[in-house]
Amino acid sequence: DVKVTQSSRYLVKRTGEKVFLECVQDMDHENMFWYRQDPGLGLRLIYFSYDVKMKEKGDIPEGYSVSREKKERFSLILESASTNQTSMYLCASSLPGQAGNEQFFGPGTRLTVL
Amino acid sequence: DQQVKQNSPSLSVQEGRISILNCDYTNSMFDYFLWYKKYPAEGPTFLISISSIKDKNEDGRFTVFLNKSAKHLSLHIVPSQPGDSAVYFCAAIWNPSSGSARQLTFGSGTQLTVLP
Repeated sequence: DVKVTQSSRYLVKRTGEKVFLECVQDMDHENMFWYRQDPGLGLRLIYFSYDVKMKEKGDIPEGYSVSREKKERFSLILESASTNQTSMYLCASSLPGQAGNEQFFGPGTRLTVL
Repeated sequence: DQQVKQNSPSLSVQEGRISILNCDYTNSMFDYFLWYKKYPAEGPTFLISISSIKDKNEDGRFTVFLNKSAKHLSLHIVPSQPGDSAVYFCAAIWNPSSGSARQLTFGSGTQLTVLP
């Protein structure tokens, strides 16, 4: 069974703080993704990675950065948190190519920025 | 501009009846479509998918229909059960030129409520 875990379920931070969201998957998947989910907007892709140390911008990368130093771990970094980054953050992983049509999601981290 | 649209934010149906969730897309490069189900405080879980070369895929109570000419897909749930109450996301895949990660583009979701 694929398991994707996220370091925190709930997080409260103050404006301007640096925030780290961690994601770990145990299925040796090459691809990892970070999304945010907002009401009425669905899931929007922030960044993704298809290999260690490789990263690609998604649809809404502004204000975020990522790090992938190991295959199983993908971190999302908010360099200076702002209130408009209050959201549900979801991490996902998948196999490469056509085998990666299905993405497996973690439980999500609900981040509140005050 | 949203490339995958779910125009109904919510849907209520009676237990035992059919639920029909709809999804429209604009990008003709999409070659694979999926439906995900999401309960509150949980991540989305994969439900059913369909390749663009097919027009129907069935898995138990769930059937997905694809109409490529209309750029429309729908998810049918028969019979609907109270445990089906969740947010359903339609998603579409295309293959960007960079890397090997096939990206999902999600719709905004439809909250399905199945009334007992």
